[in-house]
Amino acid sequence: GAGVSQSPRYKVAKRGQDVALRCDPISGHVSLFWYQQALGQGPEFLTYFQNEAQLDKSGLPSDRFFAERPEGSVSTLKIQRTQQEDSAVYLCASSFRLAGMNEQFFGPGTRLTVL
Amino acid sequence: SQQGEEDPQALSIQEGENATMNCSYKTSINNLQWYRQNSGRGLVHLILIRSNEREKHSGRLRVTLDTSKKSSSLLITASRAADTASYFCATVVGSSYKLIFGSGTRLLVRP
Repeated sequence: GAGVSQSPRYKVAKRGQDVALRCDPISGHVSLFWYQQALGQGPEFLTYFQNEAQLDKSGLPSDRFFAERPEGSVSTLKIQRTQQEDSAVYLCASSFRLAGMNEQFFGPGTRLTVL
Repeated sequence: SQQGEEDPQALSIQEGENATMNCSYKTSINNLQWYRQNSGRGLVHLILIRSNEREKHSGRLRVTLDTSKKSSSLLITASRAADTASYFCATVVGSSYKLIFGSGTRLLVRP
């Protein structure tokens, strides 16, 4: 079966532009995560969904970041008024059941470059 | 902020040699997971070890966990050029769900 997919794979935005990043998790996976990975660093947690409920958004760096998963499957991470410090790879991951107890399956990521 | 620190930051070995990477973390954990990341396949789960386990094997991988020292090690035996990648440890704390990653070890296996 298909893994986690993300689109676009690469995004170049001008500072101040809004962007939307999409994640298609593995079908049937209850848990969905967004992580941000800066160059040369490990991924850092942004937010977590269990089905359509956003249970934790403590990792979102500012109120310019917004995530949704309205039907409990596809998720979108939106960044408003992008800044240069938002440049990073944004990773989406999904997990079948209780997250934390099992492995997470990661997508290929979206590399965002803000000029 | 990141919980774990991997050591070394970078490692270069010859094909066929063993590679050992270490991970230290700060708080008590529920489990610890190792992931591999390369440009071809993205971030891939390798192995999960629970806090009540001390050692686990999977193919050429051996993971140990010492909760008293808050540390873990990943051993890759008989390395191959295809093992070239960055390796990350990630912890799960308590009943939480998110992975807290370390800074990674960049492994280069020379053919």
